[in-house]
Amino acid sequence: SQQGEEDPQALSIQEGENATMNCSYKTSINNLQWYRQNSGRGLVHLILIRSNEREKHSGRLRVTLDTSKKSSSLLITASRAADTASYFCATTLGTSGSRLTFGEGTQLTVNP
Amino acid sequence: DTAVSQTPKYLVTQMGNDKSIKCEQNLGHDTMYWYKQDSKKFLKIMFSYNNKELIINETVPNRFSPKSPDKAHLNLHINSLELGDSAVYFCASSQRGDYEQYFGPGTRLTVT
Repeated sequence: SQQGEEDPQALSIQEGENATMNCSYKTSINNLQWYRQNSGRGLVHLILIRSNEREKHSGRLRVTLDTSKKSSSLLITASRAADTASYFCATTLGTSGSRLTFGEGTQLTVNP
Repeated sequence: DTAVSQTPKYLVTQMGNDKSIKCEQNLGHDTMYWYKQDSKKFLKIMFSYNNKELIINETVPNRFSPKSPDKAHLNLHINSLELGDSAVYFCASSQRGDYEQYFGPGTRLTVT
């Protein structure tokens, strides 16, 4: 079965609200990455967090990593309609170097 | 300038045909990838090359053959296309195997 599972599968919020997406994985990791995919487009890298890090920020994005629970969360603060997209977590596993294993994604809809 | 480009963007073809998708990156990265995204948006790695050398070869039918003429290009050739090959194929590149990946815009393949 795949490495990453995301929760929720779909999330609908109003502009200005915060959005939180969660990701769980099964085995030890080198790092965990979050990507965004707008409809009909390629994936865009958002944040990379290494296994020895607990929290990382980038603009309105905040990512946490709990290796004891094998989980990560992505928080988008003060959401905008332009944040509407699918969000994927992906892990690089401890033993496989360059293999990125993606979760199923969360579809975020931000209503104006 | 486009970092990772793919051609064609759309490909409609009949069962049994042979087709190729081309990918080029101008980022100077050493590692390139092919991913398949199915209708449920699940993204799965197919192949990975590092400096023209195949390093990941997932369980993919041998009708799929990647070719890397140099480290800036990774093409995907598909023989005897089947209905189940219909998907969006993404090329990506990274500086190193466990770094963030940069994705191309995708090629939507439809087999009729």
